[in-house]
Order: sequence, then C-alpha cells, then structure tokens
Amino acid sequence: DAKTTQPPSMDCAEGRAANLPCNHSTISGNEYVYWYRQIHSQGPQYIIHGLKNNETNEMASLIITEDRKSSTLILPHATLRDTAVYYCIVREGGSGNTGKLIFGQGTTLQVKP
Amino acid sequence: DVKVTQSSRYLVKRTGEKVFLECVQDMDHENMFWYRQDPGLGLRLIYFSYDVKMKEKGDIPEGYSVSREKKERFSLILESASTNQTSMYLCASSTNGLAGYNEQFFGPGTRLTVL
Repeated sequence: DAKTTQPPSMDCAEGRAANLPCNHSTISGNEYVYWYRQIHSQGPQYIIHGLKNNETNEMASLIITEDRKSSTLILPHATLRDTAVYYCIVREGGSGNTGKLIFGQGTTLQVKP
Repeated sequence: DVKVTQSSRYLVKRTGEKVFLECVQDMDHENMFWYRQDPGLGLRLIYFSYDVKMKEKGDIPEGYSVSREKKERFSLILESASTNQTSMYLCASSTNGLAGYNEQFFGPGTRLTVL
C-alpha cells in the first residue's frame, strides 16, 4: 500500500473551511484514498473515500488531483467538535481484500473559536 | 448505522492475569480487526479475521491470541498480561470489499492498564 505524507498539525478558525492536504505520490491505479478522524479518547471514525473523482458527503468533501498523487479533505464549516487527528490512508480495493489499514501519524486539526 | 461495541471502556488487571477483550459488531461484516494505540506509535494492527474461525497475524501479534467462533464476535486474549501491554485497544469491522472498497468501523476502545 502507498505511503502518505501529512502535515503534523494545522489550525482553523471556527466557521471557516478546513483544508487538510495529503500527499500520496506512489499511489497505484487501484488504490483508494480514505480519510478517518479520531477525536480524543474515541475510536477512529470513517469520513470519506475516493478513487479518482471528487467526492462529497454530509461530513466532508474529498478533492483528488488529476494525477492522483495528492488529495485534500475539506470540512466546509469547521466547528470546535471537528478538533481531532485526521488520517489519510491509501489502500488497494477489490474483493478479497482484507481491509487492513495502515495508520500514519495524521494531522492534528485544532479548531479555534 | 454500523455499531461496534467493546465489552469495557476501562480495565485494570494485574501482571500475569489472563485478559479477555470482547468485540461485537451488528452489521454482518466479514472482517474484524484488533489494534492497539500508544502515544507516538499510532495504531498498530495486532490480529485480524476475515471469516469465522480464520485469523491472521498483524504487525504486533506477540503476547496476544484471538478467537472468532461467531461472525459477529471477535475476542482478543492476553494469555499472561504484562505491563508493556498497557494500552488503548481498538476493535474494528469491515465488509469483504466486494464493492471495491471497505471502510472500517471502529468501537469506542478499551483502555487497559496492567499493574
């Protein structure tokens, strides 16, 4: 599975968009990009995933560059409850895949009032 | 919504005790996982199971064993607890990926302290 690089920390003002970058320059064609977050003292929470196209759900948007070597997770209106560690993971999809994830150190997002 | 539950949020055991951590999921997922999380080391995979009675070692299986007798339940066993097994333990489940992707759903975690 491809490795990812994320900044260790970021700040964001409450109510503003939070844009979290992730580099995955060695990603291969059948690898998905997943984003999870972990709020303090809780288990990680799935946010969104994508393969080639940009994706949006009720939590966030995922923008994947055309060459797929990087992506950005966007929280459109960050709240204090979005303060968490955000993990970007790339992993091969397909049937028979065990779903094993490799978590890096992630980005600690601090949303400030 | 997928729900993954773990038997305890906090657990305190003594060195040498046998410890059972239980995990149950209610979404009929094929895959289940046990991780531990330590400061500065992130989440590390201990064991996973892709079917009943099937198990595979993860990155740090030493000192642990697992049991999956029913599809919805995955148990982590510390045969003889040691202080270096003090950690946060996280259980997760996922589908088998036939749809091309299979996000994992995590339980709330069990914070185990071994004295």
